[in-house]
Amino acid sequence: DQQVKQNSPSLSVQEGRISILNCDYTNSMFDYFLWYKKYPAEGPTFLISISSIKDKNEDGRFTVFLNKSAKHLSLHIVPSQPGDSAVYFCAARVNYGQNFVFGPGTRLSVLP
Amino acid sequence: EAQVTQNPRYLITVTGKKLTVTCSQNMNHEYMSWYRQDPGLGLRQIYYSMNVEVTDKGDVPEGYKVSRKEKRNFPLILESPSPNQTSLYFCASSLEPGRTTYEQYFGPGTRLTVT
Repeated sequence: DQQVKQNSPSLSVQEGRISILNCDYTNSMFDYFLWYKKYPAEGPTFLISISSIKDKNEDGRFTVFLNKSAKHLSLHIVPSQPGDSAVYFCAARVNYGQNFVFGPGTRLSVLP
Repeated sequence: EAQVTQNPRYLITVTGKKLTVTCSQNMNHEYMSWYRQDPGLGLRQIYYSMNVEVTDKGDVPEGYKVSRKEKRNFPLILESPSPNQTSLYFCASSLEPGRTTYEQYFGPGTRLTVT
């Protein structure tokens, strides 16, 4: 049973528009959430994170929102650029340790 | 250059032949982990280590062993590989001493095929 879900396997967006990637989780013991980006033939790279005590974190074009009551987080990319085309993974840390659970990923395509 | 290195990058082997995938980081990170990536399942944590000689099971530890004898190295050992261990494997490290951010730095991956 997947504890971290990314229900959209893929998403296409026009360059310059907003990309919204969603993530749902079931485990109330998650205390920290992260987004990673992955290009083919490379390892994932860290994008942005948020603590469970916050509801928003922003870094340049990337903003992560956390709705703890709904167990939902989303990653907003504004404006989207062709170089953002990649697979995005949502990840959650279990209870202040080093056990991380990843979602299955969403493939984002930004069209010129 | 700060990095996590894995070797080999590609490996084809046969069922039952012991193998080791090496992982090394040069960032003085405290924590290290191993993941496998399979289609539709994302990354699943196999083992992690919070310090030298301290390791713990992740979500899919069966069939794998690890050791952390030095801070920089965290090898993954498959004593008797089976075809269901065919996968893409990633090593990761995190946490410089004195910091409180938890993002992981990943290696480039090792594609393992067990026939």
